[in-house]
Amino acid sequence: DSGVTQTPKHLITATGQRVTLRCSPRSGDLSVYWYQQSLDQGLQFLIQYYNGEERAKGNILERFSAQQFPDLHSELNLSSLELGDSALYFCASSVRDFSYIQYFGAGTRLSVL
Amino acid sequence: TQLLEQSPQFLSIQEGENLTVYCNSSSVFSSLQWYRQEPGEGPVLLVTVVTGGEVKKLKRLTFQFGDARKDSSLHITAAQPGDTGLYLCAGASDDKIIFGKGTRLHILP
Repeated sequence: DSGVTQTPKHLITATGQRVTLRCSPRSGDLSVYWYQQSLDQGLQFLIQYYNGEERAKGNILERFSAQQFPDLHSELNLSSLELGDSALYFCASSVRDFSYIQYFGAGTRLSVL
Repeated sequence: TQLLEQSPQFLSIQEGENLTVYCNSSSVFSSLQWYRQEPGEGPVLLVTVVTGGEVKKLKRLTFQFGDARKDSSLHITAAQPGDTGLYLCAGASDDKIIFGKGTRLHILP
């Protein structure tokens, strides 16, 4: 158990809908990272927050947004969903700002039908 | 665009054999990480290498960072069924981390 909690574990929704994925980092970790994993693209970095502030952006679509709350949990919002958004979404956390030592949650499997 | 190429994509070998998987890039990284991911789980960090030419050992696993910090290899000695999984390398530089697509390893008992 990495100590990073992601909910829900599975999510099935329809095209055009909006969903929110939630992540609670390890106790004491201030950084949260979001990744998307698909079979053809592999693991893609989306965005990072540190102590409530956005710190780094990767290949995140404009339809996607995230935030980190004062209690350090984070949410990833995906809107106007398309079939191609079906993937595993992982959250990771670290103590420091942009650390390469990250602890991953078990992921949320999103299926867009 | 930075890319990390991992090879082979798939590898299926018998228990007890040795194997090496590779992670290559044309870009220089400040550090490189190896993760193992099992079905239904997130990646788990195995090792970080930061110095060109660095070699790290983790029991039967040996990790090497290339002298130019552009490539890395993972060697497993006497593979066991518990080594089965997806092995991912990740390169870090500036404010970016990029992952390879992984090598899917299957050890046959």
